[in-house]
Amino acid sequence: GQQLNQSPQSMFIQEGEDVSMNCTSSSIFNTWLWYKQDPGEGPVLLIALYKAGELTSNGRLTAQFGITRKDSFLNISASIPSDVGIYFCAGQIIQGAQKLVFGQGTGLTINP
Amino acid sequence: GAGVSQSPRYKVAKRGQDVALRCDPISGHVSLFWYQQALGQGPEFLTYFQNEAQLDKSGLPSDRFFAERPEGSVSTLKIQRTQQEDSAVYLCASSPGPRETQYFGPGTRLLVL
Repeated sequence: GQQLNQSPQSMFIQEGEDVSMNCTSSSIFNTWLWYKQDPGEGPVLLIALYKAGELTSNGRLTAQFGITRKDSFLNISASIPSDVGIYFCAGQIIQGAQKLVFGQGTGLTINP
Repeated sequence: GAGVSQSPRYKVAKRGQDVALRCDPISGHVSLFWYQQALGQGPEFLTYFQNEAQLDKSGLPSDRFFAERPEGSVSTLKIQRTQQEDSAVYLCASSPGPRETQYFGPGTRLLVL
């Protein structure tokens, strides 16, 4: 099935470091979303982006919707242990079912 | 409960067995989605309901997969004659209406032996 290209696949960082991950697609999306998934749980929405070029922050998280509408990035500043998990980007087309198309995920591990 | 709930949380089935997975969406949410998440992958869309109407089932991998939402609230995903490749986490999500934020349940982990 269609998936977005998300990188890096995994990250191993020290507590307090900044993190950056991105997502690209060959298709245009109207909405970009970033989710976090903890083990044994469903994805939880972190940030939603609705306009090309939009830059949005949620606490230590910042995400941008690419101008071409085919990419997005997520930055996490000053990482803390609870940031550990798998981060997924998702694109959404507002016509039709509004289904989400997900990336493969970025696994984040933090060394204290 | 405030969130989306799913049951059972874990299911082990023998190959060829039929299974039924239940989703209780957030009360009042019009839209309901099912996704399949293979190990180490992102979720992939299976099907979408708006109230009781199944408006998109393009992601269902075969005719062994069937979903229903007869009263526009609880939904059931049924898999007939399960195969090993059906082993995955099945996620349900609901949203207040079209184009609104989707809230995910914890998923049902299906293992087919």
